[in-house]
Amino acid sequence: NSKVIQTPRYLVKGQGQKAKMRCIPEKGHPVVFWYQQNKNNEFKFLINFQNQEVLQQIDMTEKRFSAECPSNSPCSLEIQSSEAGDSALYLCASSLAGANTGQLYFGEGSKLTVL
Amino acid sequence: GDSVTQTEGPVTVSESESLIINCTYSATSIAYPNLFWYVRYPGEGLQLLLKVITAGQKGSSRGFEATYNKETTSFHLQKASVQESDSAVYYCALGRGTNAYKVIFGKGTHLHVLP
Repeated sequence: NSKVIQTPRYLVKGQGQKAKMRCIPEKGHPVVFWYQQNKNNEFKFLINFQNQEVLQQIDMTEKRFSAECPSNSPCSLEIQSSEAGDSALYLCASSLAGANTGQLYFGEGSKLTVL
Repeated sequence: GDSVTQTEGPVTVSESESLIINCTYSATSIAYPNLFWYVRYPGEGLQLLLKVITAGQKGSSRGFEATYNKETTSFHLQKASVQESDSAVYYCALGRGTNAYKVIFGKGTHLHVLP
């Protein structure tokens, strides 16, 4: 069973609405990632954090998404104005920091449907 | 660019039969990628099945094996005798350290094991 907790499991939004997802990383993991998995099973990296700081993010994330990982609170990913193309499974993962094998620990995902 | 290509599914085999799911990679921007197989069982989150971080080495878990072949840039997943409980989606991935932007996933292979 996943120790990375994502909520909600499902959300349905209309175009233009905000959509917010939350993630509690595995205890002791300072690095958190968000991926988008589309209906073709393709993974797209969105953003990652180490503690509260953004390490990397793609252009789309910078413009339409907002994400944060505050201390002592769940991490979150919010789409400011949902588009039909945002319908996907959003996966949160965490890992240990440092030069390791890059193993990720995933949550079960939040499935977003934009009508 | 970096990419992972794996057997397109679904793959259907009968219990106790042997299995091979092919995976080849291209790692132009990662000098020495680490290689992974992740698995998603029905109703569960994506989880690591096995990993190999050194070329020429073999990883194994739950009866599955994969050998890191740098010459053929392959990391095929094999099992001598599958069980119904192996039914899942299997993802080949490559990555390096904690730079998750460089964790590249294949599209997944859906395995159905018939009783």
